[in-house]
Amino acid sequence: AQKVTQAQTEISVVEKEDVTLDCVYETRDTTYYLFWYKQPPSGELVFLIRRNSFDEQNEISGRYSWNFQKSTSSFNFTITASQVVDSAVYFCALSGYLGGSEKLVFGKGMKLTVNP
Amino acid sequence: EAQVTQNPRYLITVTGKKLTVTCSQNMNHEYMSWYRQDPGLGLRQIYYSMNVEVTDKGDVPEGYKVSRKEKRNFPLILESPSPNQTSLYFCASSSLTGGKETQYFGPGTRLLVL
Repeated sequence: AQKVTQAQTEISVVEKEDVTLDCVYETRDTTYYLFWYKQPPSGELVFLIRRNSFDEQNEISGRYSWNFQKSTSSFNFTITASQVVDSAVYFCALSGYLGGSEKLVFGKGMKLTVNP
Repeated sequence: EAQVTQNPRYLITVTGKKLTVTCSQNMNHEYMSWYRQDPGLGLRQIYYSMNVEVTDKGDVPEGYKVSRKEKRNFPLILESPSPNQTSLYFCASSSLTGGKETQYFGPGTRLLVL
C-alpha cells in the first residue's frame, strides 16, 4: 500500500529563517509521482510541484526548493528566507501507476508558522 | 482566467436527501478529481477522472458517485448523504504539458449533513 509520512506536524520559525519540511513515502510502484501542496489560512489549496520517480534532480523555484532522494524515499521541501506569507499547512502526496491507477495519497500535513 | 468553480460553496442538508456538488473547469484539462478534508484525517481522494467517461475510485469512494460526460464538468453525487460525509470538499483539475504539470483547485464546498 502507498503511504506518505510527514513526521513534523507543526513548525514555528522566525522570518528569514530557512525551514525544511520532511516527506517520506512508501510505494511498490516503480513509476510514481510526488507532490507538494500549500493550504494558507484562507483555506484554498495551491499546487506547488509534481516530480516523477525517474527524475531525481533537485528543483528550485525562487525561495522554494525540493530534494528528491530515492535511496531514502524522501521528497523534502525547503523554504529559504521564510516570510510570513509562507505560513500555511503543507501537504506532501504520492500517486503511483499500479495497474494504471493514478490514485493519490496524502500525508497528514505540516503546519508552518512564520513569525515576524 | 484559469478557474475551477464549485457549487454550492456551503450546504446544510439532512440525512438521506440526495445532493450534487458541481465542479467545472475552463482549461480543457483531462484530469479532474475530488477530495475531502477532515480534521485529523487530512486530505483524501474520493474519485478521479482521467478523461471523459473515464473515472476511478480514490481512497474513500464509499457513499459517492461521479460522472464525466463532458470534459469541463465533474459533479460529485451523494445519493443518500450521512453525517459522516460532513466535510470540506475540493475539486481539482490538472494537465501535463511538456512534462510540466499544472493543477488548479476549486474554492471548496463545506457540507454539513444533519
